Amino acid sequence: AQSVTQLGSHVSVSEGALVLLRCNYSSSVPPYLFWYVQYPNQGLQLLLKYTTGATLVKGINGFEAEFKKSETSFHLTKPSAHMSDAAEYFCAVTGSGGYNKLIFGAGTRLAVHP
Amino acid sequence: EAGVAQSPRYKIIEKRQSVAFWCNPISGHATLYWYQQILGQGPKLLIQFQNNGVVDDSQLPKDRFSAERLKGVDSTLKIQPAKLEDSAVYLCASSFGTGGAGNEKLFFGSGTQLSVL
Repeated sequence: AQSVTQLGSHVSVSEGALVLLRCNYSSSVPPYLFWYVQYPNQGLQLLLKYTTGATLVKGINGFEAEFKKSETSFHLTKPSAHMSDAAEYFCAVTGSGGYNKLIFGAGTRLAVHP
Repeated sequence: EAGVAQSPRYKIIEKRQSVAFWCNPISGHATLYWYQQILGQGPKLLIQFQNNGVVDDSQLPKDRFSAERLKGVDSTLKIQPAKLEDSAVYLCASSFGTGGAGNEKLFFGSGTQLSVL
């Protein structure tokens, strides 16, 4: 069965520092992979997604993620953190039986300090 | 464009009581999803509608949860009777097409936070 593991429920960085949020997945079929962000008191919004093709995917707000099949990973990065990046980030993978369902990880809360 | 609207924003009830949540998706969106997000966990799909038909309700606890999407627009999710473990945020999402969550862009509402005492 498909599953997602996000390493680190809380990550804290300084403003201007590199952001690295880790995601590993398991899937019996070629997966589609997603990162969603949830700002306080708001719904989830899509940051980026990987389906096929280029393994480095660029998303909104300067974020990008790289699909590494050999490592079953899809880590999210941003070169320089902004205070406005403070939020909860969810990695997700498509479920079995097609690409109809998303399986979410438990989330990583990112704090950005001045 | 207007986003996905959900109400109420917060609800506190005692166990064994009933509760209902309402969702108004983005106009024209064919697919509507209800997710349950328990504290410390990622969202879990409860039920997915395409227009007014159910596509997937495999993880809906049907002995106590029910949902409907009248006329393929608004939707309500009901819990009767509630248990302590139902405390969670209930998220509604919608997508324009019918390709499923992996192929469509999902738009989420802000959720309803339920506390069962």
